Amino acid sequence: EADIYQTPRYLVIGTGKKITLECSQTMGHDKMYWYQQDPGMELHLIHYSYGVNSTEKGDLSSESTVSRIRTEHFPLTLESARPSHTSQYLCASSEDTFYSGNTIYFGEGSWLTVV
Amino acid sequence: AQSVTQLGSHVSVSEGALVLLRCNYSSSVPPYLFWYVQYPNQGLQLLLKYTSAATLVKGINGFEAEFKKSETSFHLTKPSAHMSDAAEYFCAVSGGSNYKLTFGKGTLLTVNP
Repeated sequence: EADIYQTPRYLVIGTGKKITLECSQTMGHDKMYWYQQDPGMELHLIHYSYGVNSTEKGDLSSESTVSRIRTEHFPLTLESARPSHTSQYLCASSEDTFYSGNTIYFGEGSWLTVV
Repeated sequence: AQSVTQLGSHVSVSEGALVLLRCNYSSSVPPYLFWYVQYPNQGLQLLLKYTSAATLVKGINGFEAEFKKSETSFHLTKPSAHMSDAAEYFCAVSGGSNYKLTFGKGTLLTVNP
């Protein structure tokens, strides 16, 4: 099972500030993901990466950006936070093998509140 | 294309009763199917997965699910609910060339004493 670490777990920030949510995994998985989830609601894929220097937009449009310079690191950045960005952000990674069927493992999540 | 439908956004059971959470899927290729559990203020934890081996899959915490191709279903069951089972449960499907997971909208399970 993957070990995925997200920091910060909880963040309260003012409107207009720049924030970066950190995500690291220690299992060498090539694929990494960011999901957005409002309380009690479904998950929406906002970004994914198939490896170093690969990033793609997900199913839900997001004003955030991501980078993948190292295999283990997949940070998410908001240049100018707004109250509409208040949500939980979940980072994940997966082992894409025929047997595993792309099993995704999640971090603990980062709760972002923009005031 | 693939999709997941979880029947019932909220299921309530008594402690000791059978837990049944329903999931139906649609996939144009043979699917891989997953159940995840999410406790409050936490990420998602993998409960079990079906990857074309045995159709009855056993997971953690006493949960199991059965893949039924003819019914396009992957329902999650547990014979006897515990208070600690109260959480949100997500069904997910992957398949096709990009292997992206598609999640259902989730089912909130409450367990009454």
